[in-house]
Amino acid sequence: DAGITQSPRHKVTETGTPVTLRCHQTENHRYMYWYRQDPGHGLRLIHYSYGVKDTDKGEVSDGYSVSRSKTEDFLLTLESATSSQTSVYFCAIKRGEGETQYFGPGTRLLVL
Amino acid sequence: AQKITQTQPGMFVQEKEAVTLDCTYDTSDQSYGLFWYKQPSSGEMIFLIYQGSYDEQNATEGRYSLNFQKARKSANLVISASQLGDSAMYFCAMREGLRGNQFYFGTGTSLTVIP
Repeated sequence: DAGITQSPRHKVTETGTPVTLRCHQTENHRYMYWYRQDPGHGLRLIHYSYGVKDTDKGEVSDGYSVSRSKTEDFLLTLESATSSQTSVYFCAIKRGEGETQYFGPGTRLLVL
Repeated sequence: AQKITQTQPGMFVQEKEAVTLDCTYDTSDQSYGLFWYKQPSSGEMIFLIYQGSYDEQNATEGRYSLNFQKARKSANLVISASQLGDSAMYFCAMREGLRGNQFYFGTGTSLTVIP
């Protein structure tokens, strides 16, 4: 258990609406990550953070923004959700041997 | 080019038998890490095993071992004595560099253990 929670766990929204997903960790890890999982693609990195207010883009960052105002929380925002953003979103931290990434339980997002 | 390739979309294994899940990778870095994750039907991603590029011995964790063949750029997961609870999706992943932030994932292999 990496002490990561994600909220909400499930969300249904409509195209064009803003959506914010929250990742919360309790172990004071510096690095946090947002991935999306889609069939046929595995997991792909959206954005990551290497400290409070320090973030960088991953390979599929278009249409997403992130914020980290305190160590324990990393927010992912879809400014105007589209159907192509229907996915399962995972938050992760890294720790231990090999800089292993450990994942939260995921958020299922459906954009209608 | 794909960084991680998993060529077996689905695999079946008899309970108590061993099974090998294939993974090949592509990187020009000398330092990298290879990882396997399990995703049961409940959806969570569970870390199984890690192999560093400089590790000379194959990694083992209980019934899981990683067959690391550096020259062939392969990192196959071997599960011994399969159990019904091993039925899940399995993902191979790679981290480039000593402290790279992006993990590259394969598309996964669905393993079904038959009683």
